[in-house]
Amino acid sequence: GAGVSQSPSNKVTEKGKDVELRCDPISGHTALYWYRQSLGQGLEFLIYFQGNSAPDKSGLPSDRFSAERTGGSVSTLTIQRTQQEDSAVYLCASSLSIPRGPLHFGNGTRLTVT
Amino acid sequence: AQTVTQSQPEMSVQEAETVTLSCTYDTSESDYYLFWYKQPPSRQMILVIRQEAYKQQNATENRFSVNFQKAAKSFSLKISDSQLGDAAMYFCAYMGGGGSNYKLTFGKGTLLTVNP
Repeated sequence: GAGVSQSPSNKVTEKGKDVELRCDPISGHTALYWYRQSLGQGLEFLIYFQGNSAPDKSGLPSDRFSAERTGGSVSTLTIQRTQQEDSAVYLCASSLSIPRGPLHFGNGTRLTVT
Repeated sequence: AQTVTQSQPEMSVQEAETVTLSCTYDTSESDYYLFWYKQPPSRQMILVIRQEAYKQQNATENRFSVNFQKAAKSFSLKISDSQLGDAAMYFCAYMGGGGSNYKLTFGKGTLLTVNP
């Protein structure tokens, strides 16, 4: 595909359930980010992957959140025991070159925890 | 830590008119990059324009231009000849220029409405 692909587009889950959000970056992009966008807020950095380096997990809000990137390509963001405050749009972005290269964003996953 | 401030939560403009969106930032770095992103209802963040801090010339992309005032740490976006398709949320963002810098820090956004 030409762009960053995220799935699912929308996810409704019950409080306490686990969810997995997927991001398929642009082919060849070594940098991959996850951001969270809560209603009325800007984008909050969650995690950053760059090639084979250890990821920067400093933005993950709690130990219920984790992410992995397999084979330097597809990434999965997992939220365990979801809470209502986890409801947000989760955006993934990839880039060929940091910091000069622009970030290319996907359409996001809207997570609603009921 | 770097911060980005957008003081206008909402703005409106008449079609074909010009509008300016404000952004200020705080940093101790001398080398960095500034961006404006547009987020339409589709949710996808689209890069509108980018400015490299070491360049004195203001960036321009068709109807979009910036007024970059490095000393004042100001980075405003001007949209000329506004079109209905320009209606969206606009985010100002900052990224440090050093090799270890990779976090894009965003402002809270300005919702732009374009009136026909």
